[in-house]
Amino acid sequence: DGGITQSPKYLFRKEGQNVTLSCEQNLNHDAMYWYRQDPGQGLRLIYYSQIVNDFQKGDIAEGYSVSREKKESFPLTVTSAQKNPTAFYLCASSIGGQVYNSPLHFGNGTRLTVT
Amino acid sequence: QKEVEQDPGPLSVPEGAIVSLNCTYSNSAFQYFMWYRQYSRKGPELLMYTYSSGNKEDGRFTAQVDKSSKYISLFIRDSQPSDSATYLCAMSAEISWLTGGGNKLTFGTGTQLKVEL
Repeated sequence: DGGITQSPKYLFRKEGQNVTLSCEQNLNHDAMYWYRQDPGQGLRLIYYSQIVNDFQKGDIAEGYSVSREKKESFPLTVTSAQKNPTAFYLCASSIGGQVYNSPLHFGNGTRLTVT
Repeated sequence: QKEVEQDPGPLSVPEGAIVSLNCTYSNSAFQYFMWYRQYSRKGPELLMYTYSSGNKEDGRFTAQVDKSSKYISLFIRDSQPSDSATYLCAMSAEISWLTGGGNKLTFGTGTQLKVEL
């Protein structure tokens, strides 16, 4: 079955450590995205990538980094510079950038807790 | 003021009730409107999307857009316990793939719905 796999489901880290969240898709989608979900706030876009080896900052990119070396993979690194990293992180993909024809497909998320 | 406002709930209804979920928005450029359903500890899944104003029906679900009032609704008929989830509205202005604008949605905070037996 095609879909998006995020791993791990739960992740615990100490403050000051970098951590990388995995996202893999087998939908053959060109575009991939990282969102952050916090209670009482809508999903906020961290980074997105429309094609391999290219990505753009979203609304809240500070303290995060990404890479897009393969079409299937879009890992997110939460660095120690991120002031409030504890959150639910969602990876998504879509066929292309025009929203009407390419709705987002989401993974099941990674819950990161930093203490 | 947030660009998209959505009552967080929780909203609790008896099985079989008609549920009305709503979002208001301030950006008149929004033309595409979506509803996502998110079960606990899962990613959102697209329920319905509409373009511009009007109604769209899919089974027990009806999406309604009133651009003049900047108000969108999702109605669920004959609600079931399996409908218990958080419902997120999302919307976007037209973004052209050719200009490299990317896919950018503005999400509401979500309304938690519980359908009780």
